[in-house]
Amino acid sequence: ETGVTQSPTHLIKTRGQQVTLRCSSQSGHNTVSWYQQALGQGPQFIFQYYREEENGRGNFPPRFSGLQFPNYSSELNVNALELDDSALYLCASSRYGVRQETQYFGPGTRLLVL
Amino acid sequence: RKEVEQDPGPFNVPEGATVAFNCTYSNSASQSFFWYRQDCRKEPKLLMSVYSSGNEDGRFTAQLNRASQYISLLIRDSKLSDSATYLCVVGHTGGFKTIFGAGTRLFVKA
Repeated sequence: ETGVTQSPTHLIKTRGQQVTLRCSSQSGHNTVSWYQQALGQGPQFIFQYYREEENGRGNFPPRFSGLQFPNYSSELNVNALELDDSALYLCASSRYGVRQETQYFGPGTRLLVL
Repeated sequence: RKEVEQDPGPFNVPEGATVAFNCTYSNSASQSFFWYRQDCRKEPKLLMSVYSSGNEDGRFTAQLNRASQYISLLIRDSKLSDSATYLCVVGHTGGFKTIFGAGTRLFVKA
């Protein structure tokens, strides 16, 4: 196991609601990245957090936001949920470096928006 | 055009076969390359990093061609347990944006 944990494992919300997903990084890792994976697709990069600041962002609207805490854990917040937000949300932890370090993924949170 | 493109698959092969997956990327500034494996309804797991000189790990061989912006993965002597989706991953410095391909599904049959 990677040591990366996520909560909750499953979640059902209705359109327009807000959701917060949580991720604890692997020991020794200081960077957390979030991904959205729709069924049959590869993970899509949402953003990355390092030193409690956003350190890169993919093509996701501002209603996707995040936080990183001093212990390197992280939250993903999604406001005004839409049906298309239904997906597996993955977080991955890594060590910050000049090169893209290997990322270790958590088991994911499955979000269903009705 | 997608930034990382893979063979869509699925690949159906018998046990013991050799199978090759191809991946192309569009951003010449890409600096890190990986293959991940994802089992059904599980998280992706690192299979191997890909280096310019090529690298091998047991039955798995990865190649990188920077000039053609092409990455490959070769699996020899396929096992039933190799059945999974294989994801090509490209990383950039500066923002550390990481791009995953859509994945290639492999089915190995007895």
